[in-house]
Amino acid sequence: SYEVTQPPSVSVPPGQTARITCSGDALPKKYAYWYQQKSGQAPVLVIYEDTKRPSGIPERFSGSTSGTVATLTISGAQVEDEADYYCYSTDTSDNHRVFGGGTKLTVL
Amino acid sequence: QVQLQESGPGLVKPSETLSLTCAVSGYSISSGYYWGWIRQPPGKGLEWIGSIYQSGTTYYNPSLESRVIILVDKSRNHFSLQMSSVTAADTAVYYCARQPYSGRDYYFDHWGRGTLVTVPS
Repeated sequence: SYEVTQPPSVSVPPGQTARITCSGDALPKKYAYWYQQKSGQAPVLVIYEDTKRPSGIPERFSGSTSGTVATLTISGAQVEDEADYYCYSTDTSDNHRVFGGGTKLTVL
Repeated sequence: QVQLQESGPGLVKPSETLSLTCAVSGYSISSGYYWGWIRQPPGKGLEWIGSIYQSGTTYYNPSLESRVIILVDKSRNHFSLQMSSVTAADTAVYYCARQPYSGRDYYFDHWGRGTLVTVPS
């Protein structure tokens, strides 16, 4: 089965740049999507189609991709950005729609 | 603004069938999009369960396909999830979500708030 892989945790001081990676063999052909999930809440889409930001998402959130790795960047991370972040993508056959295991972002 | 709301029993006995409904407001299911179910066991990550189009076409997670049925009721503007032979491992928060098409794949943009389903061991 297809998998996308994320680091379990990332920690940055407030105001610094946080980068969370997502690795998957199909990423050169399929988009990566990023979801933010705060404790006790439903996930929220923060990046779609590798690099696009939905309305209402702060400009400090950005996405990029290079080969089999997609990256979510939070420039000038704030305490309120502390959350679990999930990468989502599909395999080339469209049979497997998968989430990464999630990355816990700590800002302190 | 599209809104989704999950509903159903919060407690299901082992070996029985879990049944949930997702009510959609602010958008007609008949207008298009896929609609999906995702779950999250306590303290764990997200898992896609399956999706349905307004025509009734479905796609399921291969690891759950033998136990899952997703149906759509356009007259009531809702879709539903049935999962049979549940065990304690099916204890999770279950979310429903809308799935637009990007041109390459389907993703989830609007989510419900989720509903916790517990299967006692």
